[in-house]
Amino acid sequence: EIVLTQSPGTLSLSPGDRATLSCRASQSVHINYLAWYQHKPGQPPRLLLYGTSSRSAGIPDRFSGSGSGTDFTLTISRLEPEDFAVYYCQQYGNSPLWRFGQGTKVDIK
Amino acid sequence: EVQLVESGGGLAPPGGSLRLSCAGSGFTFIDYVMVWIRQAPGKGLEWVSGIRGGGTTYYEDSVKGRFVISRDNSINTVYLDMNSLRGEDTAVYYCARERRGSGSFEFWGQGALVTVSS
Repeated sequence: EIVLTQSPGTLSLSPGDRATLSCRASQSVHINYLAWYQHKPGQPPRLLLYGTSSRSAGIPDRFSGSGSGTDFTLTISRLEPEDFAVYYCQQYGNSPLWRFGQGTKVDIK
Repeated sequence: EVQLVESGGGLAPPGGSLRLSCAGSGFTFIDYVMVWIRQAPGKGLEWVSGIRGGGTTYYEDSVKGRFVISRDNSINTVYLDMNSLRGEDTAVYYCARERRGSGSFEFWGQGALVTVSS
């Protein structure tokens, strides 16, 4: 079964900083089927990116994604106060059909 | 406007049963894969089960044989019947709609809390 490993577990940064989050898969993931979510306490998760790099509706362009095969990256170019949250990568297509990584928490330094 | 509204959460004893419902509106329900995803206290997101418009179902290994996903396209509702509940099933359960062709989840309900405890 596929395992998605996100690193680091926690990223302590300041507003205005650049954030780089990693998602490594134990098996190859098709670039069409890798997504990223933002999750804040008390709210449902929000889809940020799908197909590795396509932004979901209403997502600002400071969020970008890249990668292929087993290595994928979410970059937040300049952190805004509302960006401090937990971020998850998620794949489709391997076994199990859908799987999330364990998450990266971006908190305020 | 797409909306997903869960209902049916609550408290159940170990070994007990609960049924979650998720009513969708604002889209052609039968055209979309619907899934259930959970978050246990202090843990990350975990996909639980999914169902295609035509009824094909999928389950995460830890719930196979205990949970059953179904849908009624005539009333735009997806269900999760949870049986033989365990303490580790305690979580907030979200229903979500897949973004067509991407394998990702574009719209989410607000979540339903399921607590398994005696």
